[in-house]
Amino acid sequence: KAGVTQTPRYLIKTRGQQVTLSCSPISGHRSVSWYQQTPGQGLQFLFEYFSETQRNKGNFPGRFSGRQFSNSRSEMNVSTLELGDSALYLCASSPQPTDYNEQFFGPGTRLTVL
Amino acid sequence: QKEVEQDPGPLSVPEGAIVSLNCTYSNSAFQYFMWYRQYSRKGPELLMYTYSSGNKEDGRFTAQVDKSSKYISLFIRDSQPSDSATYLCAMGKGGSYIPTFGRGTSLIVHP
Repeated sequence: KAGVTQTPRYLIKTRGQQVTLSCSPISGHRSVSWYQQTPGQGLQFLFEYFSETQRNKGNFPGRFSGRQFSNSRSEMNVSTLELGDSALYLCASSPQPTDYNEQFFGPGTRLTVL
Repeated sequence: QKEVEQDPGPLSVPEGAIVSLNCTYSNSAFQYFMWYRQYSRKGPELLMYTYSSGNKEDGRFTAQVDKSSKYISLFIRDSQPSDSATYLCAMGKGGSYIPTFGRGTSLIVHP
């Protein structure tokens, strides 16, 4: 069974631009969560989607948004990029929400904002 | 003060040693406790999942949760160089899936 895939793996943008990251969950997994990982703040929860609905949202500004499609694939968007948005963005999938013990992470997208 | 505190290390041990990794937390509402391993340039991988207090063992790994002290531990027996990675603790509250992570401890197991 294929794992969680994220595209692109690396991305370089400039301040003020916007970016869209993509996540394909493990087949059969319907819950997708997004996280931001930085050296300063560590791993922080962004949001979680299940059945195309956002169920939970972390403490991030409205510039961070996401969506989930009917095939469970998910995208996240960051508008008006800031230098501080440089981070590793991780996607994780699980069969159902709160399946802590069945959640698998993708390799992440490394975003650099110049 | 962060909700979850974890010493970033690095923790350097010889091969075969018993490793002890720890996290403390301040929120008594946490009910789910996880340990993840993250290799460089990879996503985290779930190692252990525990609900409430107690011990859980899986191969060379043992997770302990002491809710009265707000303290969790991960023990690695017979450590191997392949165990060299960053270990993240995470915790969740019942009813919503918004995990809170520690900053991670970097472990180096040298031959």
